Amino acid sequence: ETGVTQTPRHLVMGMTNKKSLKCEQHLGHNAMYWYKQSAKKPLELMFVYSLEERVENNSVPSRFSPECPNSSHLFLHLHTLQPEDSALYLCASSQDHRWASYNEQFFGPGTRLTVL
Amino acid sequence: TQLLEQSPQFLSIQEGENLTVYCNSSSVFSSLQWYRQEPGEGPVLLVTVVTGGEVKKLKRLTFQFGDARKDSSLHITAAQPGDTGLYLCAGVSGNTGKLIFGQGTTLQVKP
Repeated sequence: ETGVTQTPRHLVMGMTNKKSLKCEQHLGHNAMYWYKQSAKKPLELMFVYSLEERVENNSVPSRFSPECPNSSHLFLHLHTLQPEDSALYLCASSQDHRWASYNEQFFGPGTRLTVL
Repeated sequence: TQLLEQSPQFLSIQEGENLTVYCNSSSVFSSLQWYRQEPGEGPVLLVTVVTGGEVKKLKRLTFQFGDARKDSSLHITAAQPGDTGLYLCAGVSGNTGKLIFGQGTTLQVKP
């Protein structure tokens, strides 16, 4: 595997279910990110991790719970979601979490989440 | 709140036509990036512009950063069906250092 991978690619869940999204980066990067992409809205940054430590949490509801066990893996645990949480969830990684013109983010293909 | 407004939001053209996508803000950005996202994939970085007035070319794509670093444009010459996708601009805020995305421009190039 190369780059950033995400599983599953598609997920349908009920509002009472508990599920997890997984992201893995094979680039040796130190920072990982979760984004939410909804139709006709800008990408929303949810969480930022640097060397397994959460460095940013953008007022995300507690029904989304991130976990970063090591610098290569990132999870997003989901529970009691709402239909408006349906979206494409993108994972990204970069060499460093500090924004700089040279700090390119590499995105995974995303998980298409549908909450019924 | 800093916002990046992209226009147009949707563009459908014939192969061979030229087009320009705009990314505008009232705020200054220390740098600005353009991404392309194809269906079923994540965004892929095309270019980063840093200096006000900077122009970068990537084959048939020309990117320009405004002199005041508040706006940017992407011009595609002789568009091809392979150019079809969602184009996103993203600016690094000069105040917060955060990366802010525009809502995207969906481009469809018909053969």
